[in-house]
Amino acid sequence: DTEVTQTPKHLVMGMTNKKSLKCEQHMGHRAMYWYKQKAKKPPELMFVYSYEKLSINESVPSRFSPECPNSSLLNLHLHALQPEDSALYLCASSRGGTMQETQYFGPGTRLLVL
Amino acid sequence: EDQVTQSPEALRLQEGESSSLNCSYTVSGLRGLFWYRQDPGKGPEFLFTLYSAGEEKEKERLKATLTKKESFLHITAPKPEDSATYLCAVCQTSGSRLTFGEGTQLTVNP
Repeated sequence: DTEVTQTPKHLVMGMTNKKSLKCEQHMGHRAMYWYKQKAKKPPELMFVYSYEKLSINESVPSRFSPECPNSSLLNLHLHALQPEDSALYLCASSRGGTMQETQYFGPGTRLLVL
Repeated sequence: EDQVTQSPEALRLQEGESSSLNCSYTVSGLRGLFWYRQDPGKGPEFLFTLYSAGEEKEKERLKATLTKKESFLHITAPKPEDSATYLCAVCQTSGSRLTFGEGTQLTVNP
């Protein structure tokens, strides 16, 4: 089983709202990732958690705040987003603690910021 | 700087018409090359991981091969359900992130 789940599937929010995206995997993977994907572009890395610790932040604006409550869960808290933040947000996980192993992606959350 | 170039950008095939997608890469040391399939509005679906030149992997109508400079994704007798964007990504031995290509959008007409 290589399933990564994400909720919600779709999210519409105003620029003053606070919302959270959730990602879950039960494969025992020790690395989890957040990516942002714009239309017709490849995924762009945002954050990496390795063994529940933040190991990479790709200079993401502070209006995006990641959280890893345990080894199976990954959240992305959103606050005061801009319309240009509208995109498909993807979560991924890999078995080991590095990015050199195969990453398995979730279905994504389609975010629209009005 | 790592570079990954996929070609063609878009490819239209008739059902049953076999073809290949290309992923050429420039990295200081390849740790792994990954192929994904992505349907519109969905997350990338893992297809293959290749680690060393000469390696080949197959799954149904797909076969991935790897040389020291590029990888090919061969599609044999494609069906309309193979229509998707195919993404290639590489990770170098000293790297901490994947470098993705821009993808090849494949359309298979019935």
